[in-house]
Amino acid sequence: RKEVEQDPGPFNVPEGATVAFNCTYSNSASQSFFWYRQDCRKEPKLLMSVYSSGNEDGRFTAQLNRASQYISLLIRDSKLSDSATYLCVVTGWAGYALNFGKGTSLLVTP
Amino acid sequence: SQTIHQWPATLVQPVGSPLSLECTVEGTSNPNLYWYRQAAGRGLQLLFYSVGIGQISSEVPQNLSASRPQDRQFILSSKKLLLSDSGFYLCAIRITGANVLTFGAGSRLTVL
Repeated sequence: RKEVEQDPGPFNVPEGATVAFNCTYSNSASQSFFWYRQDCRKEPKLLMSVYSSGNEDGRFTAQLNRASQYISLLIRDSKLSDSATYLCVVTGWAGYALNFGKGTSLLVTP
Repeated sequence: SQTIHQWPATLVQPVGSPLSLECTVEGTSNPNLYWYRQAAGRGLQLLFYSVGIGQISSEVPQNLSASRPQDRQFILSSKKLLLSDSGFYLCAIRITGANVLTFGAGSRLTVL
C-alpha cells in the first residue's frame, strides 16, 4: 500500500463549482498534514496545513480524519486560476521527510 | 525569508554522461535540505536529505549521490546517467522546528 494515495482525477469543473479532493495515508503515526498546489512545470507550493479540528482559508477548507486516516480539501466557488495539481502531503515514518501523493489535477473551465 | 536557488534550470544530457545539480539557500542557517525527483506521471520521490554539513541520508538505491559541502549548499551528482534519471529535480528546505517544506524552482533533466 502506498503511503499517500489520492483521487486519481482529473477533475473538470465549471467556474463557481464546489469540488472536493480526498487523500488517504497509511502511517497512523503521522503528525503533520498539508495540501500543496503545483502549477504545470513549476515547483509545488504550500497551499495550507491541515489541522485536526479542520481549518479554512478563504474558499479552501481542509479536514483531517485521523480515525479513518484521510484528509480532504474542499474548494468553493472555483476560479479559473484554481486550475492546478493538488498534492496531499503527510509526514513520513521518522518525521523528517514528507511523503507526497501523486496529485489530483483540477481544471476549472469558463 | 528563505530563497532557494537551483541551477541549471533545464538540461539535456546523453546516457552515460555525468551530472551535477546545485542548490543554494539564502536567508537561513542550518536548514534541513532535501532532493526530490518528480518523474513523468509519478509523484515526488525523496532521494536524499541532509541535516547538516557532510551529513547525507539516502532514501532509495540509485546511481545518484548527494553532497553538502557547506551549510547552505546541496549538490546532486551522478557519474553515469541512465534514461530513468530523467525528471524534475527539486531542492527543498525545512526550517528546524517546522514541518513545512519550501521548494526551489527545480531543474528539469532529460536524458537521451
